[in-house]
Amino acid sequence: ELKVEQNPLFLSMQEGKNYTIYCNYSTTSDRLYWYRQDPGKSLESLFVLLSNGAVKQEGRLMASLDTKARLSTLHITAAVHDLSATYFCAGGSAGGTSYGKLTFGQGTILTVHP
Amino acid sequence: EAGVTQSPTHLIKTRGQQATLRCSPISGHTSVYWYQQALGLGLQFLLWYDEGEERNRGNFPPRFSGRQFPNYSSELNVNALELEDSALYLCASSRGDGTYGYTFGSGTRLTVV
Repeated sequence: ELKVEQNPLFLSMQEGKNYTIYCNYSTTSDRLYWYRQDPGKSLESLFVLLSNGAVKQEGRLMASLDTKARLSTLHITAAVHDLSATYFCAGGSAGGTSYGKLTFGQGTILTVHP
Repeated sequence: EAGVTQSPTHLIKTRGQQATLRCSPISGHTSVYWYQQALGLGLQFLLWYDEGEERNRGNFPPRFSGRQFPNYSSELNVNALELEDSALYLCASSRGDGTYGYTFGSGTRLTVV
């Protein structure tokens, strides 16, 4: 059964600094997703990563996938206060008992300070 | 384009009662998924419906059930409510099996007292 672990779970950043959130998963996963959640709100889709070596960027966020290492990263460049939120990674599968479902990591609570 | 809509936004029920939560997917999406986000337990998969059929089910007791209607909307029923069922219930929709992404609704906050 797929297990997904994120670290760190809490991240306090200064504005303008760079940092990376790591997402490790336990077994083969065909696809990896990143979501953002603001307090009391739903999940906003950030990235969908479907192949080894995939890299996607949107604004100050960049996500990558290394299926051999079973690792995805979310890199934050020059953080701004608006990026404060909880970030989740989630693994999916094209078959087996995990077909169609997302297995989420614990979430990383990101706080950006002036 | 309207997003995934869920109703009601909030629901308060007494232990032992039944709760019904509703979800309308994005137009063109045939799959609907239900997730529970409980404090301290994270986001857990409940159910996946596609074309009216249950395709996958998470590790939840049978008192959690649902269905999908011909217009692809879905409802989640929780029978014999327990205090620990208090959570945010999120619905998501996708084309097919979600390979290219899932869109989540704003959720229903269920409180069991």
